[in-house]
Amino acid sequence: KNQVEQSPQSLIILEGKNCTLQCNYTVSPFSNLRWYKQDTGRGPVSLTIMTFSENTKSNGRYTATLDADTKQSSLHITASQLSDSASYICVVSGVVDSSYKLIFGSGTRLLVRP
Amino acid sequence: DAGVIQSPRHEVTEMGQEVTLRCKPISGHDYLFWYRQTMMRGLELLIYFNNNVPIDDSGMPEDRFSAKMPNASFSTLKIQPSEPRDSAVYFCASSLGGDGNLNEQFFGPGTRLTVL
Repeated sequence: KNQVEQSPQSLIILEGKNCTLQCNYTVSPFSNLRWYKQDTGRGPVSLTIMTFSENTKSNGRYTATLDADTKQSSLHITASQLSDSASYICVVSGVVDSSYKLIFGSGTRLLVRP
Repeated sequence: DAGVIQSPRHEVTEMGQEVTLRCKPISGHDYLFWYRQTMMRGLELLIYFNNNVPIDDSGMPEDRFSAKMPNASFSTLKIQPSEPRDSAVYFCASSLGGDGNLNEQFFGPGTRLTVL
């Protein structure tokens, strides 16, 4: 069964600290993996997109890693800021019945406190 | 560009009424996606279009839901009749190229639907 599981469900950290969010998937065959940031009341915004051949991709203070062998990805946030408070959604794309399917994780809700 | 535009931003209706959500994609984008987001189920892809043609509607929950894209700059998602369990935030997104090309999807602000 194609699934994407994210952990933790929620996380509270102090401003300036680093944190890492996890994403495990069972989607096969795998096409690509995306991390989105969704602020409260707004649509998701893409942070990174990675194929199976990419191990790391950065976008400012956000760094995503991918291990296609273990089917795990992580999103590392460095020197967190209050504006990082949001939900982070992992989305895996795979080919199902000859068409691309997007499998969504349930998200990690991050709260950065001053 | 103003980004993906959705209307209305909020909709409150009574059970049994028809609801129409509207979306204007980013100019030049050839893919358009409709999503639904709830606390229980998270974000779900309902349907997507390529060059105004529906490609995959396997995510549409039931026959009460229908989507159209009469031209490259406009799409609608209709629910008839609406039910309380349809209450959710509905997002429209567009991209230049499909998922296979790893193109970024740009999301609209969403329509918050409440069915009483």
